Amino acid sequence: QVQLVESGGGLVRPGGSLRLSCAASGFTFSDHFMSWIRQAPGRGLEWLSYISLTGTQTYYADSVKGRLTISRDNTKNLMYLQIDSLRDEDTAIYYCARRVIKNHAFDVWGQGTVVTVSS
Amino acid sequence: YVLTQPPSVSVAPGQTARITCGGNNIGRKSVHWYQQKPGQAPMVVVYDDRDRPSGIPESFSGSNSGNTATLTISRVEAGDEADYYCQVWDGDSDHMVFGGGTKLTVL
Repeated sequence: QVQLVESGGGLVRPGGSLRLSCAASGFTFSDHFMSWIRQAPGRGLEWLSYISLTGTQTYYADSVKGRLTISRDNTKNLMYLQIDSLRDEDTAIYYCARRVIKNHAFDVWGQGTVVTVSS
Repeated sequence: YVLTQPPSVSVAPGQTARITCGGNNIGRKSVHWYQQKPGQAPMVVVYDDRDRPSGIPESFSGSNSGNTATLTISRVEAGDEADYYCQVWDGDSDHMVFGGGTKLTVL
């Protein structure tokens, strides 16, 4: 079945780095733009970044630009999010999501991976 | 681009819930709506203003005009209690934007 599975979350010290992964299955990964979205505890959804079909185009939210790097490997059906200079406010559930081909809705979401930034 | 949602909406079972999403000329954009229940990932319930994905009940509908998009849930059931988010693509900034979310409480 169509599925996205995130991994790579954990407890990190402020100032540290983390690389999250999103494994896709059940669909043609290279046919879809992909995104990362996060949700801080008790807060709403925050779009972070998205990546084009081949990875040549990437976009970032202003709040995280410069600290995040999104990438993908279509040969492995994987997407990544590198987060540098982690701050307390980066503590959140990080979701990867598939963008619908014909519009900008997200029709498939992973279950999320938890990132906790704390000293 | 900013999307504004009411923090909460309450409705009795069987009644109609309307959740608004305000944005400058949002009627010119395509609006998507997500439902998120506690401990779960969001799920799209309406896309492109008014279309429903397969498996979403007909009780969910959407509209969009002027500066306000609306998600309407008819014949509300206890199982509809959740957080709802609107989302658009802002072509001017190449950013996806989510509204702040609305908690729907079924009384």
